[in-house]
Formats: sequence, structure tokens, C-alpha cells
Amino acid sequence: DTGVSQDPRHKITKRGQNVTFRCDPISEHNRLYWYRQTLGQGPEFLTYFQNEAQLEKSRLLSDRFSAERPKGSFSTLEIQRTEQGDSAMYLCASSQPRRASGGARSYEQYFGPGTRLTVT
Amino acid sequence: DAKTTQPPSMDCAEGRAANLPCNHSTISGNEYVYWYRQIHSQGPQYIIHGLKNNETNEMASLIITEDRKSSTLILPHATLRDTAVYYCIVRVGSGGSNYKLTFGKGTLLTVNP
Repeated sequence: DTGVSQDPRHKITKRGQNVTFRCDPISEHNRLYWYRQTLGQGPEFLTYFQNEAQLEKSRLLSDRFSAERPKGSFSTLEIQRTEQGDSAMYLCASSQPRRASGGARSYEQYFGPGTRLTVT
Repeated sequence: DAKTTQPPSMDCAEGRAANLPCNHSTISGNEYVYWYRQIHSQGPQYIIHGLKNNETNEMASLIITEDRKSSTLILPHATLRDTAVYYCIVRVGSGGSNYKLTFGKGTLLTVNP
């Protein structure tokens, strides 16, 4: 258990429905990331928050996707009008810069267990 | 971020050392080498990272060649629970980047009894 939780763990929905996922990061972490992973592939970056500000969005994040992080704590990822191609594992990660050996800053990310979305 | 090349799969006997190679010939001077692993149906797990010196922690050792064009992750005594996909990622360490991770397909390490 990394301390990052995601809810729900599994979601089955019909094409055209809206879905919302939640991520609770490690409490002191100010950075939060969303990734998507399809079968046989590594995770792909979707979007990134520093505190409550969404600072970068991937081109993978179409207009049907929206993410929020109110108050810089938990985050939600909503997919509107789901399509079968949205079926994937949605992963959340958090990080907090820390001083590592030698004085350099370290930015390792801690991932949650993911939400597996199946669109039928 | 620099691209990495890893073998798609490797086998290792339980109790033996697992040595996972990674090529990153286009790495820049300010890029770090990170290793993560992903056990089936779980989120990726951070293992270790380094810039140019060899690093060791409770999970693994990271050996980076002097020219930094390749590295090896060493699991000294592999167990069945180490069976996972191992990702080698090269990423800028500082300087305004969002520090997102760019994953390849990784190496599936299978530890056999």
C-alpha cells in the first residue's frame, strides 16, 4: 500500500454514459498525476496538478475528459459520453519533491492501485 | 526525455540475482535514470533512481555505466514476488518540468521456482 487510494477499483459502464473516478493522494504531496494504461502497454501520461492548478494536459485528454483537484487535495477524473476505446486502467500518482543524497531533489511518484474501466 | 530500450522478457531462478539491462544512449547530462516495476493488476512501484553514481537501497542496486548510455538494475536475491514488468525511464531531474514519467513496454521478469 503506497498511501494513494483510488475509487472505484472497477467500473463497468455502457457506451455513452458518464463516469467519474476519484484519487486520494498521500496527504503531504503537492503534485498529482493521472495516467492511462491499456493492455500490454506501459502507462501513458494524461494530466498533472501542482496543488489545485492543472498545469499540463496530454493530447490524449480529449474534450470528453476533465480533471479537477479542488483545494489541492483529492482529484477527480470525469469521462463524458464514454466510448469503447476509453476502456483502460486509469492510474493516479502523487509526489512531493524531497532532498535526496548529494543534495539533489528527488521526485519519485507513488501510484495508486488504479481504476479499471470497461465500456460495453 | 531520452528514449530507453529494454528486452521484452527475462527469466531468473528464485534466489539468484536478476540483472535487468537498459540502454539510454541519447541521455542528456541532466537526465536521471529511474526504475519502476508493476506487478500484475497493481499500480507501478518506484524502485530506485540515479544520475551517474551507482545506487543501492533496500530493494535493488542500480549500476550506471561511466558514459551513462546504459544501466543495469540488480535484484540481488530474486523471489517469486519479484515477478513483474520492470520499466527503465529517463527523466529530467529538475528545471521546471512537470516530471511526468514516460513509460515504454518494459521487461517482463519471470522468477521461476
